Amino acid sequence: KAGVTQTPRYLIKTRGQQVTLSCSPISGHRSVSWYQQTPGQGLQFLFEYFSETQRNKGNFPGRFSGRQFSNSRSEMNVSTLELGDSALYLCASSLGQGRGAFFGQGTRLTVV
Amino acid sequence: QQQVKQSPQSLIVQKGGISIINCAYENTAFDYFPWYQQFPGKGPALLIAIRPDVSEKKEGRFTISFNKSAKQFSLHIMDSQPGDSATYFCAASGDSGGGADGLTFGKGTHLIIQP
Repeated sequence: KAGVTQTPRYLIKTRGQQVTLSCSPISGHRSVSWYQQTPGQGLQFLFEYFSETQRNKGNFPGRFSGRQFSNSRSEMNVSTLELGDSALYLCASSLGQGRGAFFGQGTRLTVV
Repeated sequence: QQQVKQSPQSLIVQKGGISIINCAYENTAFDYFPWYQQFPGKGPALLIAIRPDVSEKKEGRFTISFNKSAKQFSLHIMDSQPGDSATYFCAASGDSGGGADGLTFGKGTHLIIQP
């Protein structure tokens, strides 16, 4: 069974630009969550989608948004990038209820 | 406010020894407590998880001990091996009615197993 796939693996963007990250969950998993990992703040929850609906949201500004498609694939978007948005963005999928979450390898975003 | 406090920040254990990592939480609504292992350049991998209705759960060399009254839980790695050298994260989540909340993670423990 294929794991969680995130694309691209690496991104370099300029401050002020926007970026879209993609996540394909494990087959059959309907819940997709996104996390930001930085050395200073650690792993922080961004938001969670289930059956195309955002169920939960972390404490991040509105520049961070996401969506989920009918095939459970998910994208997250960050607009007006700031230097502090440089981080490893991780996607996790689970069967439901956010438990037993399996993570992808992440997308390393660098904002210059 | 850090809702899950993890200690120690780093840990060195001799091969064959027991590695112990501790976490404490504040939110009594948490009802799911997983541990994750992360190697450099990889995403976190789910190791083992526990719910508050049991005090201990064992899977192979990994054991979670849970103390609901003290709001503490710990990971024990028995017979630690060099391949266990990684960063370990405890986490917790609850359910505020809209499906499970996102995971709240501890800051991580960098574990080194010396051969």
